[in-house]
Amino acid sequence: SQTIHQWPATLVQPVGSPLSLECTVEGTSNPNLYWYRQAAGRGLQLLFYSVGIGQISSEVPQNLSASRPQDRQFILSSKKLLLSDSGFYLCAWELGADTQYFGPGTRLTVL
Amino acid sequence: SQQGEEDPQALSIQEGENATMNCSYKTSINNLQWYRQNSGRGLVHLILIRSNEREKHSGRLRVTLDTSKKSSSLLITASRAADTASYFCATTGANSKLTFGKGITLSVRP
Repeated sequence: SQTIHQWPATLVQPVGSPLSLECTVEGTSNPNLYWYRQAAGRGLQLLFYSVGIGQISSEVPQNLSASRPQDRQFILSSKKLLLSDSGFYLCAWELGADTQYFGPGTRLTVL
Repeated sequence: SQQGEEDPQALSIQEGENATMNCSYKTSINNLQWYRQNSGRGLVHLILIRSNEREKHSGRLRVTLDTSKKSSSLLITASRAADTASYFCATTGANSKLTFGKGITLSVRP
């Protein structure tokens, strides 16, 4: 069966520090991968998606970037965090059938 | 921009009652899905209904879709305390990307 992992689960970082969040999927090949951000009490905002290794599409201009170095690994990064980057970051995968399967999320607090 | 708009924003019911949540959207869709999110956790897919379907059931869940009104409803029958969560509708359009609403907070009182 397929599983999706995210780490770390929680993170507290100072403004201006770098960021690296990792997402890995097991039990499937060539999934579409997604990064979302969820602000408190809000819906999900799509940040990036990837249909294959090295293929990244950005939905919202911001100081975040994403990379997909391996088929089942998706990384969200920033060189300098802003206060507004705080939120709950969710990774998801799908196989083109529209249903997405979400990881447990990373709670990021930027102070 | 968010396509789905859920209604109400918050719902509180007694265990055993039915919970009805509504979602409206603006543009044509290929399908509509409902997801559940427990506090501080990831989203869990509940049910998908395609644009050519009008009603779908899964256990205690019943979803309807009215494409003429651009709306959907999620009914949870015989609610349980464990149903307490946020519920999101999400639509897929021609671009094949999921667009989520802001969610409904459901509280089921034991």
